[in-house]
Amino acid sequence: GAGVSQSPSNKVTEKGKDVELRCDPISGHTALYWYRQSLGQGLEFLIYFQGNSAPDKSGLPSDRFSAERTGGSVSTLTIQRTQQEDSAVYLCASEDPPDTQYFGPGTRLTVL
Amino acid sequence: QKEVEQNSGPLSVPEGAIASLNCTYSDRGSQSFFWYRQYSGKSPELIMSIYSNGDKEDGRFTAQLNKASQYVSLLIRDSQPSDSATYLCAVPSGYSTLTFGKGTMLLVSP
Repeated sequence: GAGVSQSPSNKVTEKGKDVELRCDPISGHTALYWYRQSLGQGLEFLIYFQGNSAPDKSGLPSDRFSAERTGGSVSTLTIQRTQQEDSAVYLCASEDPPDTQYFGPGTRLTVL
Repeated sequence: QKEVEQNSGPLSVPEGAIASLNCTYSDRGSQSFFWYRQYSGKSPELIMSIYSNGDKEDGRFTAQLNKASQYVSLLIRDSQPSDSATYLCAVPSGYSTLTFGKGTMLLVSP
């Protein structure tokens, strides 16, 4: 079946602009995660959704970052007023069974 | 803050050898452990999970867990150049999140 998809695959933006990153999880997966991975670094947890609610937002690095999920499916990660340190690969994963996560291909964000 | 530590490598092994990748974790209460493989420029994929002390084998891969010593390892037998990747160790934390190590890069030379 279809895996996790993300769009866009690449995004180049200017410092100060807002960006939206999209994640389509595997159908039926209620748990969804956002991570980011900087060059040579590990995976940094950002936010976790169970259905449409986000019980754990502890990883969002600043109030410029927000995320929502609608219909228990698609999720959008929004970064406002992007900074150069936001440049990274943003990965989405959906989960089923618990602790078994399937990752999307990621969005490579470059902030100039 | 739960921590997962891995040697960043690279770990270089010749084709056909056994590659041994190690991971230590800080939370003594952790019950499940996962190994993900990440090829360069790609996203991580789950390759092994282990929940009980001892060994778990799946093809050329063996996961070993020692809860008393708080380490989990991944052995790859008959290593192939196609096994060259970064291997991430992950441990559940919080509500239902995973804490990932920074990964060990494995290079298998022909």
